Amino acid sequence: QVQLEESGPGLVKPSQTLSLTCTVSGGSINSGDCFWSWFRQPPGKALEWIGYISYSGSTYSNPSLESRVSISADTSKIQFSLKLTSVTAADTAVYFCSRLRCSSGGCSRGGAFDFWGRGTLVTVSS
Amino acid sequence: EIVLTQSPATLSLSPGERATLSCRASQSVSSYLAWYQQKPGQAPRLLIYDASNRATGIPARFSGSGSGTDFTLTISSLEPEDSAVYFCQQRDTWVTFGQGTRLEIK
Repeated sequence: QVQLEESGPGLVKPSQTLSLTCTVSGGSINSGDCFWSWFRQPPGKALEWIGYISYSGSTYSNPSLESRVSISADTSKIQFSLKLTSVTAADTAVYFCSRLRCSSGGCSRGGAFDFWGRGTLVTVSS
Repeated sequence: EIVLTQSPATLSLSPGERATLSCRASQSVSSYLAWYQQKPGQAPRLLIYDASNRATGIPARFSGSGSGTDFTLTISSLEPEDSAVYFCQQRDTWVTFGQGTRLEIK
C-alpha cells in the first residue's frame, strides 16, 4: 500500500517561498506509470491542481501558477518537493501530495489520483 | 481552461434513497473524468475513474456514467457514512475540479 506524507513549515511570510516535501512509502517514484502531484485547497473551497513531476523528471504546472512553481524529486530519498515563490495570503491553503496512476493508454491524459497524503495547512501571514 | 460545473450544490437525502450528482464540462473531456469523496479534515478519496470504473475497494452502490461533457455519479442506496462533499475532476487538458456537491444524509 502506497502512503504519502507532506511535511514543511505551517507558516510562511508574505513574499517568501513556500517549501513542502512529500515522502512516499510502499512504492518507488521512478515507476514508469505514475506521476507525483501537488494540490491545494483553500478553506471551504475546491481543490486546485498545482503540478506534477513524471517518473522521468519532467514537470508540468498549472498555467495560472507556472511562473511561481518548482517541483523536483529525490529518488534516493523517495521524496518529491514543491516550491512556490512570492507567496501572498491567497496562497493560504491545505496542501496535498498525491500519486497519479496513469491509464493503460499512457500518461498524457486520463489516469487517476489514487493515493493522497493527509494534507498540511500552510498559512501565509506576517 | 476546462470548467467543470457540478449540480446541485447541496443535496439532502435519507438513508436508503438514491443520490444523483451531475458534472458538466465546458468542452468535451472524452471519458477522462474521475469522482472523489471528501470528508471534513480528510484527503479526497478516489471513487470512480475514466467516467465509469470503480476504484479498488469502493462499494458497488457507487457508479459513474457519461462521456463528452455530461457525467453522473449515482449512489444507489445511501448509507449514513456517505455524507461528504463529492468532486468531479478532469484530466483531458491539464487538471481541473468542479466546485463540489455537498451530500447530507438526514
